[in-house]
Amino acid sequence: AQKVTQAQTEISVVEKEDVTLDCVYETRDTTYYLFWYKQPPSGELVFLIRRNSFDEQNEISGRYSWNFQKSTSSFNFTITASQVVDSAVYFCALLRNAGNMLTFGGGTRLMVKP
Amino acid sequence: DTAVSQTPKYLVTQMGNDKSIKCEQNLGHDTMYWYKQDSKKFLKIMFSYNNKELIINETVPNRFSPKSPDKAHLNLHINSLELGDSAVYFCASSHRTLDSPLHFGNGTRLTVT
Repeated sequence: AQKVTQAQTEISVVEKEDVTLDCVYETRDTTYYLFWYKQPPSGELVFLIRRNSFDEQNEISGRYSWNFQKSTSSFNFTITASQVVDSAVYFCALLRNAGNMLTFGGGTRLMVKP
Repeated sequence: DTAVSQTPKYLVTQMGNDKSIKCEQNLGHDTMYWYKQDSKKFLKIMFSYNNKELIINETVPNRFSPKSPDKAHLNLHINSLELGDSAVYFCASSHRTLDSPLHFGNGTRLTVT
């Protein structure tokens, strides 16, 4: 069975702090993809990153970075020097081969205060 | 030029009514989806269609009936609406390859009174 766990339901930081959002997944598939999506207060779901199960290289995109560790089934997301505009709910998700079904974690609500 | 568009954005209706939500994508994707987001923000897949054929139907009441007239459209019809149907419904699309990210519409907030 597929499962994605985001243990942190809510995180509050002050602007310019670094923050890491945790994601742990379970799957029996050997080939799969992991995603992060952002849902700002306006409600839309914005794709942030995709990582396949064979690529454990960490990725950095501006203030965002992702740490994929297959050994611990984790795909954590770090925002460096957070800004108020980063306030949103962030979802980690796992895509399995069968039916292209995307399984979401419960989301982490990040609040960045000025 | 919105990639995945769904209408209406808001839908308020009474219990027992029948309503539809429309979704269209102009990305050339062959797979479309409906997801439901509940009040606790939990997102769960309802249906997945590939080339107009149903490939996933999670445990959704049969009051929900998706209709895909062509690859670019996947509409959701709901009969006999219940209070528990109140949620935000997201349409999405992708290529049917494992590495294709889903592109989501902006959601339809359904409120059943």
